[in-house]
Amino acid sequence: GAVVSQHPSWVICKSGTSVKIECRSLDFQATTMFWYRQFPKQSLMLMATSNEGSKATYEQGVEKDKFLINHASLTLSTLTVTSAHPEDSSFYICSAREARGYQPQHFGDGTRLSIL
Amino acid sequence: GENVEQHPSTLSVQEGDSAVIKCTYSDSASNYFPWYKQELGKRPQLIIDIRSNVGEKKDQRIAVTLNKTAKHFSLHITETQPEDSAVYFCAASNLDNAGNMLTFGGGTRLMVKP
Repeated sequence: GAVVSQHPSWVICKSGTSVKIECRSLDFQATTMFWYRQFPKQSLMLMATSNEGSKATYEQGVEKDKFLINHASLTLSTLTVTSAHPEDSSFYICSAREARGYQPQHFGDGTRLSIL
Repeated sequence: GENVEQHPSTLSVQEGDSAVIKCTYSDSASNYFPWYKQELGKRPQLIIDIRSNVGEKKDQRIAVTLNKTAKHFSLHITETQPEDSAVYFCAASNLDNAGNMLTFGGGTRLMVKP
């Protein structure tokens, strides 16, 4: 159980393109989803916390107009990187936590974003 | 906010030996400490976790110890195998906070030589 699906797994696109990444909890309801960014050989850096039906909470230094997060249902959160540039190239990973009680975070497979 | 330091950044051991990874945290309110294993290009996978009301937890070859007074916790892997090679991340969280966000350590690249 507790499977998180993230799509797409790899995106290569031109500078200026907007890219949407989906994160779905397949067999549980997730009131909270988290979006992380990971550069090569570095740790996971939390970008934002996404709560179903409300605005996301962004970490300091993360531009909310650049990284649009939508959490419209208990099983889906999306991250849109708007007008992506080469410096946005990174590995983006989502995680989700079950609604009932406290449960560990379960991670998606990640999305490798390469901006040319 | 919380700050988690992890050491060492790289660790190389011979197959069959033990490996120990240590983490310290700064926020005394943190009460949940998971460990994740991440293979190259893949998702972090939870391997073991511990809550602050417990000092030690073991699951087969993996164990975690927690010292709340000193604010540090450690991962112990015994009888290491080549498939244990990966990057390991410790994390800290406060379960009493609504968000339950995790703060990760910098990671340890473990290499187990056959």
